[in-house]
Amino acid sequence: QKEVEQDPGPLSVPEGAIVSLNCTYSNSAFQYFMWYRQYSRKGPELLMYTYSSGNKEDGRFTAQVDKSSKYISLFIRDSQPSDSATYLCAMKASGGSNYKLTFGKGTLLTVNP
Amino acid sequence: GAVVSQHPSRVICKSGTSVKIECRSLDFQATTMFWYRQFPKKSLMLMATSNEGSKATYEQGVEKDKFLINHASLTLSTLTVTSAHPEDSSFYICSASGLAGMGEQFFGPGTRLTVL
Repeated sequence: QKEVEQDPGPLSVPEGAIVSLNCTYSNSAFQYFMWYRQYSRKGPELLMYTYSSGNKEDGRFTAQVDKSSKYISLFIRDSQPSDSATYLCAMKASGGSNYKLTFGKGTLLTVNP
Repeated sequence: GAVVSQHPSRVICKSGTSVKIECRSLDFQATTMFWYRQFPKKSLMLMATSNEGSKATYEQGVEKDKFLINHASLTLSTLTVTSAHPEDSSFYICSASGLAGMGEQFFGPGTRLTVL
């Protein structure tokens, strides 16, 4: 079993739809959870960063963490064509700067105008 | 927000030559820098972790004599691909992390290396 599982998609939705992206993980030591957005041929961009369980909202984006189920989600409201990208979940056990991230494989999202 | 740059963005070289890629944190001090490799439509593969002033820690299967990493200052790390071969062609991405916050990793824009 891989440490982090993420459905690679592709996921195609119409403009304005609510998008739900998810990851599951097996390592109970993970405490810090991130979502990155990566456009084609670009570096990943940090979208959301949460610690432990709970919700965090930033504009159209909401990140949820359920540590009891080892399940994290990213919701995108009112999706736009500019949201079309690959979304990567990532996590680590410690908040220290030198701790490496464990990534999901990424979900390719296309928002159609 | 934190900004990380990479140079060059794209490089084409002949087989057998060495290529140096620079990673800079522009507005924060990066105590740790990470180097990744990414194949088309694949996720990021961590190559090594580099702490300022220390030797890099390489992931299993990554040749440290082939991929030389230097992190001499809190704002600059370099990756040198020595004696490059066509199989080294890939997208190389660095990330940087500082002491502030929860150790967020901020990524550079990546460098596309093509070895002929």
